[in-house]
Amino acid sequence: GQQVQQSPASLVLQEGENAELQCNFSSTATRLQWFYQRPGGSLVSLLYNPSGTKHTGRLTSTTVTKERRSSLHISSSQTTDSGTYFCAMELGLSGKLTFGEGTQVTVIS
Amino acid sequence: DTTVKQNPRYKLARVGKPVNLICSQTMNHDTMYWYQKKPNQAPKLLLFYYDKILNREADTFEKFQSSRPNNSFCSLYIGSAGLEYSAMYLCASSQGERLFFGHGTKLSVL
Repeated sequence: GQQVQQSPASLVLQEGENAELQCNFSSTATRLQWFYQRPGGSLVSLLYNPSGTKHTGRLTSTTVTKERRSSLHISSSQTTDSGTYFCAMELGLSGKLTFGEGTQVTVIS
Repeated sequence: DTTVKQNPRYKLARVGKPVNLICSQTMNHDTMYWYQKKPNQAPKLLLFYYDKILNREADTFEKFQSSRPNNSFCSLYIGSAGLEYSAMYLCASSQGERLFFGHGTKLSVL
């Protein structure tokens, strides 16, 4: 099965609404990082959060390693938040980051 | 400077022809990665260098080559491009923790 699962696969938000994106993983994970991709664009690092809670701007990530999950909360969404959000992490001692399938977010005005 | 640079930004290639993509970073990171990204799919790791040691994924082992002549540069080489190689190729570097990605090279194989 998939080692990194993200949910939901997609969601549509009215501008101003909040959203919570989930990331669950199958084994011990380190170096957990959230990325954003605009359609056709590159991956932009949003938050590096291997454990605990981190904030940047309107984004908050909470990672609970013993429960093998991380979340990304978007507050007061804006149309420019539209795109795909990925979580990625190093599973075990692989030395590499494994990505989830992403959550496609569409914010409408 | 946390920049990872990739060249070119766009690449057109003919089926059966070789392709060489270039990546550089000036952060003195010990690890450099190449990912392949197709629309609506997760980025897929192709290979990575930890220092001078190359690690290639089992399912793409024969399709991609790479070289890292020095700490700053890393190339991705496709010996004979097929239509299925059309994708965004993303280079990243790290020093043990977070990854920094370049803008990517969009490869179109015709």
